[in-house]
Amino acid sequence: AQSVTQLGSHVSVSEGALVLLRCNYSSSVPPYLFWYVQYPNQGLQLLLKYTSAATLVKGINGFEAEFKKSETSFHLTKPSAHMSDAAEYFCAVSDGAAGNKLTFGGGTRVLVKP
Amino acid sequence: GAGVSQSPSNKVTEKGKDVELRCDPISGHTALYWYRQSLGQGLEFLIYFQGNSAPDKSGLPSDRFSAERTGGSVSTLTIQRTQQEDSAVYLCASSSNNSPLHFGNGTRLTVT
Repeated sequence: AQSVTQLGSHVSVSEGALVLLRCNYSSSVPPYLFWYVQYPNQGLQLLLKYTSAATLVKGINGFEAEFKKSETSFHLTKPSAHMSDAAEYFCAVSDGAAGNKLTFGGGTRVLVKP
Repeated sequence: GAGVSQSPSNKVTEKGKDVELRCDPISGHTALYWYRQSLGQGLEFLIYFQGNSAPDKSGLPSDRFSAERTGGSVSTLTIQRTQQEDSAVYLCASSSNNSPLHFGNGTRLTVT
């Protein structure tokens, strides 16, 4: 069985500040890990994915995430927050590269203060 | 081309009524998924179709829920005798081989 825990259901950052969203996973097989973003009244959009290649993964909109097997973590970061980053972010795990049957974390809502 | 399309975008129904939610996947995508997003439960997997294989129904919460996929393309999620706890956003996603899931904008279902 797989599971994902996202620490903090809400995060508030100032514009220009570092964004750090935490994700820890549990998986009995080598995991495939994903971060998705959801803007209001929209579906989920893929930010980035880890599929056992490089442990530091770069995604869209300046986001990146680092896979740390020893810590079972896949934290998402962005060096400088922009107002447009205000959204909900979901970490997810699957056992297949295509992302079938994703198991999601509870989500972290990001508020960006001017 | 177009993304995953879901209809209706919003649906209000009375408790006990049946509802049908529709999903048009991206053309050529062989895999189709339904998820439910609700307060307190997060995003839950419901059902997964892959080509002509039997669907994976392991996430359906009760026998009031069913889904079909006709001709390997459009899918309909049906909820019979709706209950208030069925109120949620129902998200559809599709993918092709080795591609991540592409999600639609969802159908917001409200059961009154």
